[in-house]
Amino acid sequence: SQQGEEDPQALSIQEGENATMNCSYKTSINNLQWYRQNSGRGLVHLILIRSNEREKHSGRLRVTLDTSKKSSSLLITASRAADTASYFCATDDRDNYGQNFVFGPGTRLSVLP
Amino acid sequence: DTGVSQDPRHKITKRGQNVTFRCDPISEHNRLYWYRQTLGQGPEFLTYFQNEAQLEKSRLLSDRFSAERPKGSFSTLEIQRTEQGDSAMYLCASSPAIAGGPGTDTQYFGPGTRLTVL
Repeated sequence: SQQGEEDPQALSIQEGENATMNCSYKTSINNLQWYRQNSGRGLVHLILIRSNEREKHSGRLRVTLDTSKKSSSLLITASRAADTASYFCATDDRDNYGQNFVFGPGTRLSVLP
Repeated sequence: DTGVSQDPRHKITKRGQNVTFRCDPISEHNRLYWYRQTLGQGPEFLTYFQNEAQLEKSRLLSDRFSAERPKGSFSTLEIQRTEQGDSAMYLCASSPAIAGGPGTDTQYFGPGTRLTVL
């Protein structure tokens, strides 16, 4: 089974609204990353948050990490049509020397104009 | 920076044939990763190299799969005796290794090779 599980599987919002996606994982981690994938640009790294960090910002992106609940959230504010994509979280496995880099199944976000 | 390139972009083959894919990473990156992705799923890690050394190999990588990175630059992924279940997108990524495992790296992905096994 996959380490990361995103929730919801699919999300549809209007342009300008905020989008929140959640990720849960099973093992202890060193880092958690979020990636975006759309047909035009392939997989692109968005942000990395370390296990000792609780929140990180990058432009319109805000990522939180709760290691006690083994969960993370990605918030995209003021969404745009260009944000339409699949979003994946990915984690390593601290108990396996940081190996086992695993992606979740993703959240498919549609931003309607 | 020309990015990660993969060749071919599409491959159609018949069951039982062997196929080989190539990945050229970003030139100064010493880590190279292979993933497989099926429709509606996230990428599944297959293996990764640091320079020419293959450091980690997933249990998903059956004996029919082999990857090489002979000079620490480009890499090849070969699938022998292909099966219909091998149909997927095969993604390559590279990263400049910092201390620690793959989770510490920002990985730069190529466009992928789509394999269809008839």
